[in-house]
Amino acid sequence: KQEVTQIPAALSVPEGENLVLNCSFTDSAIYNLQWFRQDPGKGLTSLLLIQSSQREQTSGRLNASLDKSSGRSTLYIAASQPGDSATYLCAVSSNDYKLSFGAGTTVTVRA
Amino acid sequence: DAEITQSPRHKITETGRQVTLACHQTWNHNNMFWYRQDLGHGLRLIHYSYGVQDTNKGEVSDGYSVSRSNTEDLPLTLESAASSQTSVYFCASSEGAWTAGKTEAFFGQGTRLTVV
Repeated sequence: KQEVTQIPAALSVPEGENLVLNCSFTDSAIYNLQWFRQDPGKGLTSLLLIQSSQREQTSGRLNASLDKSSGRSTLYIAASQPGDSATYLCAVSSNDYKLSFGAGTTVTVRA
Repeated sequence: DAEITQSPRHKITETGRQVTLACHQTWNHNNMFWYRQDLGHGLRLIHYSYGVQDTNKGEVSDGYSVSRSNTEDLPLTLESAASSQTSVYFCASSEGAWTAGKTEAFFGQGTRLTVV
């Protein structure tokens, strides 16, 4: 069974600092990895999708890397803003389209 | 814009009652999923479907059922609601194709269900 771990569970940084969120998974036979953002009481918003053949994906201030062989992904958020405060979830998918989620990292960006 | 909508957003029901949560997507996606989110457990898969008339059990399917009569809808039914089913429920969909960029999953806004 795929196990997904996100470290740290919570993170508090001053505005402007870069954020580094980590995700690890036990079974490297994945098809893709997806990073989501969840605001309190809201649904999940897809941020980035990295296919297994890719090493990284970028969208604006967000950059996600994938090292499939070591079972790791890192989400970098540059120049954090208070609006980046949310819970970030990592999920991996194998060839059956089902997602296995980590527990998330709750980020607080202090103004 | 295409979207996935869930209704109701909030529901309170009594133990033993049958409850149905609706999920409707306009992406024309083949794959649809139901997850529940609980503190300490994260998101867990309840049921899923790869297309019309196809349904499958996930890791926490006991006490739940789904049916898929068309592409757009996957209603989740709690046969006899129990307090352990108090949770936030999320519906998701994805396209059933492994070509580039087509396996992204999209989620609804969630339904908060309280069983009293």
